[in-house]
Amino acid sequence: DTGVSQDPRHKITKRGQNVTFRCDPISEHNRLYWYRQTLGQGPEFLTYFQNEAQLEKSRLLSDRFSAERPKGSFSTLEIQRTEQGDSAMYLCASSLASLTDTQYFGPGTRLTVL
Amino acid sequence: QKEVEQNSGPLSVPEGAIASLNCTYSDRGSQSFFWYRQYSGKSPELIMFIYSNGDKEDGRFTAQLNKASQYVSLLIRDSQPSDSATYLCAVISGGDDKIIFGKGTRLHILP
Repeated sequence: DTGVSQDPRHKITKRGQNVTFRCDPISEHNRLYWYRQTLGQGPEFLTYFQNEAQLEKSRLLSDRFSAERPKGSFSTLEIQRTEQGDSAMYLCASSLASLTDTQYFGPGTRLTVL
Repeated sequence: QKEVEQNSGPLSVPEGAIASLNCTYSDRGSQSFFWYRQYSGKSPELIMFIYSNGDKEDGRFTAQLNKASQYVSLLIRDSQPSDSATYLCAVISGGDDKIIFGKGTRLHILP
């Protein structure tokens, strides 16, 4: 257990539905990252926060994806109008303050879109 | 498109031998390099971070960086069955504030 928690651990939804995932980072960590990982691939960067500010968002991320980190604590990732291609493991990671600080990953949320 | 390339494997190594994992990257401006280990069904965990040319050793692990050749490797000495996992190479590319991961190399240590 790294101290990063994610909820839910598994989500099955029908195409077209909206889903929201939550990540609780290690409490003193300022940075929070979201990644997506599919089978046989490495994690793919989605977005990251420095405290409550969203500083970078992948160009691969469509407008259906949105993330928030109110008050610089937990974060949510919402996917609107889900598609089958969104099926993946969504990983959250947190680190102290910079990109070179160790990122601690949560257990992930596995999304299946039927 | 900035890329990080790894042989997907599987790489099979006898127990007790040295496992050698390789990674190349496309962006010459890359400055920082990571090796993560990911067990099946688990999340990645950092095992090595290197930013200077040469070798960096931590226990049974040695990371090697050659920026001129755009090449980073991980050596695992005295391989154990518990080392069987996927090893992900990751790079902070120049000008980007994010980490780019390779697809990973599956390592299988044969008892």
